[in-house]
Amino acid sequence: KQEVTQIPAALSVPEGENLVLNCSFTDSAIYNLQWFRQDPGKGLTSLLLIQSSQREQTSGRLNASLDKSSGRSTLYIAASQPGDSATYLCAVKGNSGNTPLVFGKGTRLSVIA
Amino acid sequence: NAGVTQTPKFRILKIGQSMTLQCTQDMNHNYMYWYRQDPGMGLKLIYYSVGAGITDKGEVPNGYNVSRSTTEDFPLRLELAAPSQTSVYFCASSYLGSYGYTFGSGTRLTVV
Repeated sequence: KQEVTQIPAALSVPEGENLVLNCSFTDSAIYNLQWFRQDPGKGLTSLLLIQSSQREQTSGRLNASLDKSSGRSTLYIAASQPGDSATYLCAVKGNSGNTPLVFGKGTRLSVIA
Repeated sequence: NAGVTQTPKFRILKIGQSMTLQCTQDMNHNYMYWYRQDPGMGLKLIYYSVGAGITDKGEVPNGYNVSRSTTEDFPLRLELAAPSQTSVYFCASSYLGSYGYTFGSGTRLTVV
């Protein structure tokens, strides 16, 4: 059974810092990995989707990397801003058939002005 | 383009009552999913559907039922509400299982 772990569970940084969020998964037979952002009391917004054949994806100040063989992904946020404060969730989709996304518990990020 | 729409946004139920959480998408996605999210936890899959007329259980299906009569709609039914079903429920869809997911804004359910 796939398990997804996100470390740290919570993170507080001053504005302007670069930061890294970590995600690990137990079964390397994945089809893709997706990073989401969730604001308090809101739904999930997709940030980046990395296919298993890719090493990284970039969108603006966000960069996500994938090392499938070691079961790890990182989300790098450059020059953090207070508006980046949210919970970031990592989710993986397995290779077999209709396997839905399996989620980590998320990292709660606070960027202090 | 509305995406994935969930109703209601909030609901309080008494133990033993029943209700249906509605979910509809206008993106012609084949795959639809129901997740629940408890405080401090990740999302757990309740049920999913790969197309009209086809549904399958996820990780935590007990106490819930679903149907998929059309591509657009995927309602979640709670027959006998229990306090353990207090949670935030999210519906999601994807074009195919391997594509990115689009989520609704959630339904916050409290059972008292």
